Amino acid sequence: DTAVSQTPKYLVTQMGNDKSIKCEQNLGHDTMYWYKQDSKKFLKIMFSYNNKELIINETVPNRFSPKSPDKAHLNLHINSLELGDSAVYFCASSQDAWRENNEQYFGPGTRLTVT
Amino acid sequence: GQSLEQPSEVTAVEGAIVQINCTYQTSGFYGLSWYQQHDGGAPTFLSYNGLDGLEETGRFSSFLSRSDSYGYLLLQELQMKDSASYFCAWKPNQGGKLIFGQGTELSVKP
Repeated sequence: DTAVSQTPKYLVTQMGNDKSIKCEQNLGHDTMYWYKQDSKKFLKIMFSYNNKELIINETVPNRFSPKSPDKAHLNLHINSLELGDSAVYFCASSQDAWRENNEQYFGPGTRLTVT
Repeated sequence: GQSLEQPSEVTAVEGAIVQINCTYQTSGFYGLSWYQQHDGGAPTFLSYNGLDGLEETGRFSSFLSRSDSYGYLLLQELQMKDSASYFCAWKPNQGGKLIFGQGTELSVKP
């Protein structure tokens, strides 16, 4: 069974379009995250939700809007896509955000290419 | 400013031992984690140091010295499958946020 899954795996779209990425975890974790990894492999946190409540909101353009319908799902909607949005987007989850270790489990990633 | 510094690349041979260093300049420090990422794959958790000292997990160990703002990941008995990128990640507070370093690409040669 896949612990953290994301769809789609690949997304190719044109500038100006709106797209969504979905994430689901079956680990029973309370906290979920979105990360962006650029072409230089720099991995940067974007958002985090704990039990459907937004707890981390980094400096991200407001074209990016996360939504958590329940604690097992975290989606990312991106409006008016730009070339610079091309990256791999990873979803992750952890048991809870305040655990000492806070081991995070990552999904397989969604490679977004904006042309 | 706040920063995490790791070497960009390290090369070693099978069976050898390699140490990947991570130095940090941060405001607020709660712990240091290490993650492994193979090409095209997802980051996977390796270890966490909340206190000074050595944590050992099989062939991998991680060390932290808060007074020196320094940590390292030690990989022993290197195998070809250890070729990957290794990231240190700083936990600035008690919440879930992790700040990742730029990553070290490890190449293991026969």
